[in-house]
Amino acid sequence: AQSVTQPDIHITVSEGASLELRCNYSYGATPYLFWYVQSPGQGLQLLLKYFSGDTLVQGIKGFEAEFKRSQSSFNLRKPSVHWSDAAEYFCAVDDYKLSFGAGTTVTVRA
Amino acid sequence: DTGVSQNPRHKITKRGQNVTFRCDPISEHNRLYWYRQTLGQGPEFLTYFQNEAQLEKSRLLSDRFSAERPKGSFSTLEIQRTEQGDSAMYLCASSGERQGAGDTEAFFGQGTRLTVV
Repeated sequence: AQSVTQPDIHITVSEGASLELRCNYSYGATPYLFWYVQSPGQGLQLLLKYFSGDTLVQGIKGFEAEFKRSQSSFNLRKPSVHWSDAAEYFCAVDDYKLSFGAGTTVTVRA
Repeated sequence: DTGVSQNPRHKITKRGQNVTFRCDPISEHNRLYWYRQTLGQGPEFLTYFQNEAQLEKSRLLSDRFSAERPKGSFSTLEIQRTEQGDSAMYLCASSGERQGAGDTEAFFGQGTRLTVV
């Protein structure tokens, strides 16, 4: 069965600094991978997705993610974090339904 | 279309009572999903529909839970004889016709937060 692991429960980053969130997946075939963001009390918003092709994927809000098959990883990055990026981030793998990781909470300090 | 709509946004109920939640998907979407999210966890899959057919149910969906999607439009999720462990955020999502896994985006509603006291 497919599964996703997000090793970091909580990350604190200074505004303007770079951010990287880790995601490792377990999936038997070619994975379809997603990153979602959830602000407090809100639903999930899609940041970006990987289906095939270029392993570096660009998303909304200045985020990007790199798919590395050899490492079974799909890490999310942002070069310069804004205070509004404070939220919970979920990595997910799709096999006709989404299986989510436990999430990483990002705190942004001034 | 304003996206996926869920009602109510919040529900407080006493243990043992029945509750029903509603989800209105994006109108042209034929797939509808229910997820449950507890504090500090990612959403967990409960069930999904293609049109009016319920195609898969998670083992998390005990006999006290039932979901319907009459006429392939809105969906309801009912929990009978609620327990404190049912307290969670219940999320609904919808997506369009799929040609294969992952080729369409699932859009999520804002969820219904259930508190069982």
